[in-house]
Amino acid sequence: EPEVTQTPSHQVTQMGQEVILRCVPISNHLYFYWYRQILGQKVEFLVSFYNNEISEKSEIFDDQFSVERPDGSNFTLKIRSTKLEDSAMYFCASSELGQGYYGYTFGSGTRLTVV
Amino acid sequence: GENVEQHPSTLSVQEGDSAVIKCTYSDSASNYFPWYKQELGKRPQLIIDIRSNVGEKKDQRIAVTLNKTAKHFSLHITETQPEDSAVYFCAAGEAAGNKLTFGGGTRVLVKP
Repeated sequence: EPEVTQTPSHQVTQMGQEVILRCVPISNHLYFYWYRQILGQKVEFLVSFYNNEISEKSEIFDDQFSVERPDGSNFTLKIRSTKLEDSAMYFCASSELGQGYYGYTFGSGTRLTVV
Repeated sequence: GENVEQHPSTLSVQEGDSAVIKCTYSDSASNYFPWYKQELGKRPQLIIDIRSNVGEKKDQRIAVTLNKTAKHFSLHITETQPEDSAVYFCAAGEAAGNKLTFGGGTRVLVKP
């Protein structure tokens, strides 16, 4: 079964440092997403991406965050200057173009710890 | 924007009993309602979903019902087993390519 792959699985970074989280979506998927989950809390939408541009973003996705698809396969989330409150599990997801969330699949996540 | 409320936050059942989790949503434009199971430290896994043109859907021991008028939907797990123990999330969304809004989660514990 096709999978969404995320690297690294765990990242520890100093407050104020930049981090890049990487995702390889399922190859025929066209919509890409980032979500985050603070420990013990619900999954929260960050951003959706389609046709090489952001289609929607949440209030969490401020100027410190950016996404790009640099080479047609990877989909990255960059946090420019990390804060303690950015510590969370970050999930990438992708879905096919189709009728409503067809094939919507989450990756295994990157646990980001900001110290 | 959409707001999804989920109850209860924890649910303890005896093995073999049924478990019911309820969610309400606020945006009448939402038309897709998936349920995810998340085991500790792992990704959310889709277990069943329902679209707004359907009132009920069943897959073996799992069923979901949707009441669009009342804006609520429920997950029913029958004949629960210890491996059903996990956190379950409901979500709501509209149209292809748009975000999912998740409920707060229900921690289900099935006691043998």
